[in-house]
Amino acid sequence: GAGVSQSPSNKVTEKGKDVELRCDPISGHTALYWYRQSLGQGLEFLIYFQGNSAPDKSGLPSDRFSAERTGGSVSTLTIQRTQQEDSAVYLCASSLAQGTHTEAFFGQGTRLTVV
Amino acid sequence: SQQGEEDPQALSIQEGENATMNCSYKTSINNLQWYRQNSGRGLVHLILIRSNEREKHSGRLRVTLDTSKKSSSLLITASRAADTASYFCATDALGNTPLVFGKGTRLSVIA
Repeated sequence: GAGVSQSPSNKVTEKGKDVELRCDPISGHTALYWYRQSLGQGLEFLIYFQGNSAPDKSGLPSDRFSAERTGGSVSTLTIQRTQQEDSAVYLCASSLAQGTHTEAFFGQGTRLTVV
Repeated sequence: SQQGEEDPQALSIQEGENATMNCSYKTSINNLQWYRQNSGRGLVHLILIRSNEREKHSGRLRVTLDTSKKSSSLLITASRAADTASYFCATDALGNTPLVFGKGTRLSVIA
């Protein structure tokens, strides 16, 4: 397992449908991040998992967004009742963060299009 | 809220010239990192500078950090067309806080 893997690469969904985006981090990485990037914009922080600590959900834009990280490894970002403004690239990253952050390794992202 | 803000938003230079990008942030940090992004997908880590360091080099990259001004700069020397990309700074504030990115600088190197 080389790097961070995200699936699917692309997702087109109808407005109002729920979607699940998956992230497989690098084995042994305790920190996992989700970001959202709209076209030509910066990275918007969504949620951060660090080991067994409670996740930092302060970046989630609404209660339609939720994320889980099972067994300290795979993470799923769920968007319920999708809206057109949810269209963006969703990026996942992981790192060996222990106290302070080290290099974050990014997946190639999931491009979500809500029609 | 975003911690880092890059400046300029866009930069266009000729091949062989040096490119300088700046990043300003708001709160005390553990370290500051610079990343590169091609084609709007995954980011690649370039360099990390710790809060007690003032300058760091990696190949054609030179990063400075001024904690008194809460700012950092990334210098790419002898730029190449392949350096064309977006560059982002990222910071983590003191405590168990997430890595927060700025809006990025879009660099275009013209051959």
